[in-house]
Amino acid sequence: GIQVEQSPPDLILQEGANSTLRCNFSDSVNNLQWFHQNPWGQLINLFYIPSGTKQNGRLSATTVATERYSLLYISSSQTTDSGVYFCAVPISGGSYIPTFGRGTSLIVHP
Amino acid sequence: NAGVMQNPRHLVRRRGQEARLRCSPMKGHSHVYWYRQLPEEGLKFMVYLQKENIIDESGMPKERFSAEFPKEGPSILRIQQVVRGDSAAYFCASSDRAGNTIYFGEGSWLTVV
Repeated sequence: GIQVEQSPPDLILQEGANSTLRCNFSDSVNNLQWFHQNPWGQLINLFYIPSGTKQNGRLSATTVATERYSLLYISSSQTTDSGVYFCAVPISGGSYIPTFGRGTSLIVHP
Repeated sequence: NAGVMQNPRHLVRRRGQEARLRCSPMKGHSHVYWYRQLPEEGLKFMVYLQKENIIDESGMPKERFSAEFPKEGPSILRIQQVVRGDSAAYFCASSDRAGNTIYFGEGSWLTVV
């Protein structure tokens, strides 16, 4: 199956700082999604981004499918950004079942 | 437009009992995915279903676990003869088509005592 690696595993920021989270995957994919799991366990879909760049408020994401990576940018971080960020790609070539990386745990201090 | 609904949110079972977790997908969604999350770990795929069909159950243990998505009603994840190692959060997600954005429910937390 396709392997997903996320970095860094942990990140601690002061409120207002910017950050970049990375997702590498081992094979070409036809879709990629970013999720945020808040401290209460709720999983929210942030982006569906198989290629290109998308922006939503302070968050933006870029996927370079040919080089097998995606980046999630968080600008002017807030305490509510704390939680775990996951990227998900298809479990194998030809599949549509999302498989998840181990995530980046983000803590934003006030 | 209601999101993905899971119940119960919390479930406590004694070893050897059965656990049934229910998932109603978003309106208009016919694809359902179940994931398990152990403490401090990521989400592990268990099973993918469409109405009345199991499409892929490669992530589900062969014994004690089963899933269904009947023509009418919610998808059910059933765990028979639970053991302590089954204690986890079980998340359901749905999509309108294969490969499209998936949306998660709030999860069901199973504790086996």
